[in-house]
Amino acid sequence: GAVVSQHPSRVICKSGTSVKIECRSLDFQATTMFWYRQFPKKSLMLMATSNEGSKATYEQGVEKDKFLINHASLTLSTLTVTSAHPEDSSFYICSARSGTNFDNEQFFGPGTRLTVL
Amino acid sequence: RKEVEQDPGPFNVPEGATVAFNCTYSNSASQSFFWYRQDCRKEPKLLMSVYSSGNEDGRFTAQLNRASQYISLLIRDSKLSDSATYLCVVRRDSSYKLIFGSGTRLLVRP
Repeated sequence: GAVVSQHPSRVICKSGTSVKIECRSLDFQATTMFWYRQFPKKSLMLMATSNEGSKATYEQGVEKDKFLINHASLTLSTLTVTSAHPEDSSFYICSARSGTNFDNEQFFGPGTRLTVL
Repeated sequence: RKEVEQDPGPFNVPEGATVAFNCTYSNSASQSFFWYRQDCRKEPKLLMSVYSSGNEDGRFTAQLNRASQYISLLIRDSKLSDSATYLCVVRRDSSYKLIFGSGTRLLVRP
């Protein structure tokens, strides 16, 4: 399958700082990228969907001003957690897909574990 | 009510056992169904899609019952390496969005 990378794999930061997470599709052009969050023993929850060159669509309850998403190219999307707080500590996973066929598989990145002290 | 519900387990079985997981979904507009596998602290990986006629991939068999809105996964001859969390996932009609269940944890013991 296609390869999606995330960087960093883990980050520890102080409360109030901002953290940027990168998601890259390495061997295909990602028309759409998704950002998920997973708390311990919970399901992956979709935070937002982004299409290259346009604004992200956020799920209900996700603050767009706190979780800034940029999808500037077909191979890179970034998620910035602004003014992070301990309750933002979670496993953040991106996924990417190509084309317009709804059946096209989403490929997941390895995830970024964020710990906010 | 969650859109996709699974028994969290854990299911603790010996090597060689057969184990079955069920999942129910509430949105009748769901069109595509999948089982993903997630190892501890890793990303989910697609195990298999689930088709209306049922499908098999080696030791794994998936079935879909649209009338009752449930999906099942059967694992035969369990291996130690099958220990993981199995996520039931649905996709709604005309949407890219995947809706994940919270997963069923499987532990296969020697």
